[in-house]
Amino acid sequence: NAGVTQTPKFQVLKTGQSMTLQCAQDMNHNSMYWYRQDPGMGLRLIYYSASEGTTDKGEVPNGYNVSRLNKREFSLRLESAAPSQTSVYFCASSKQGTQGTEAFFGQGTRLTVV
Amino acid sequence: DAKTTQPPSMDCAEGRAANLPCNHSTISGNEYVYWYRQIHSQGPQYIIHGLKNNETNEMASLIITEDRKSSTLILPHATLRDTAVYYCIVRPRNSGGSNYKLTFGKGTLLTVNP
Repeated sequence: NAGVTQTPKFQVLKTGQSMTLQCAQDMNHNSMYWYRQDPGMGLRLIYYSASEGTTDKGEVPNGYNVSRLNKREFSLRLESAAPSQTSVYFCASSKQGTQGTEAFFGQGTRLTVV
Repeated sequence: DAKTTQPPSMDCAEGRAANLPCNHSTISGNEYVYWYRQIHSQGPQYIIHGLKNNETNEMASLIITEDRKSSTLILPHATLRDTAVYYCIVRPRNSGGSNYKLTFGKGTLLTVNP
């Protein structure tokens, strides 16, 4: 059972380059999320998708776009990378419902923009 | 979502109980208390959640005060591997639509000492 898988694990980009971070989950979850974590900081929500076909902005969406490709996959795109986007990016997924449920996180993508 | 307040750091001796406090004085009746932890460089890991009753699982116990304005996460026999940042999060019970996003603060760095 793989859970939440993120690719790549590490990436170095030059300023202005573009890239897509991939995320896939095999738990049949409805909701998926992208967070970023800067050194010494908590996680900040970039975008989320409550269900297939919907996406919404989180706390820090500027400079990013997302695609909920299908129920399993949720990608994050940086169109023109900036040094301020150097961070660790985490993808997560969870069920929906009226009962409390847990979110599962991937192991992160460590992105450096030079 | 209700705001949470946690001490920035705590120490605990190996083998002793670790008691991590969290204040959430503005919590509303339909909000759960969640605890996650993040071991260095890894994705956050779910620990436990509760609404108003005390909860216990194989990892920890969650004690919620009767007025629900604060809670304590208890690791009964802390080990060195429990050294991590612990996040207390409050989120709505109804996890449909935009209610499902998790808002992380800076958490408490628990250091378990030998």
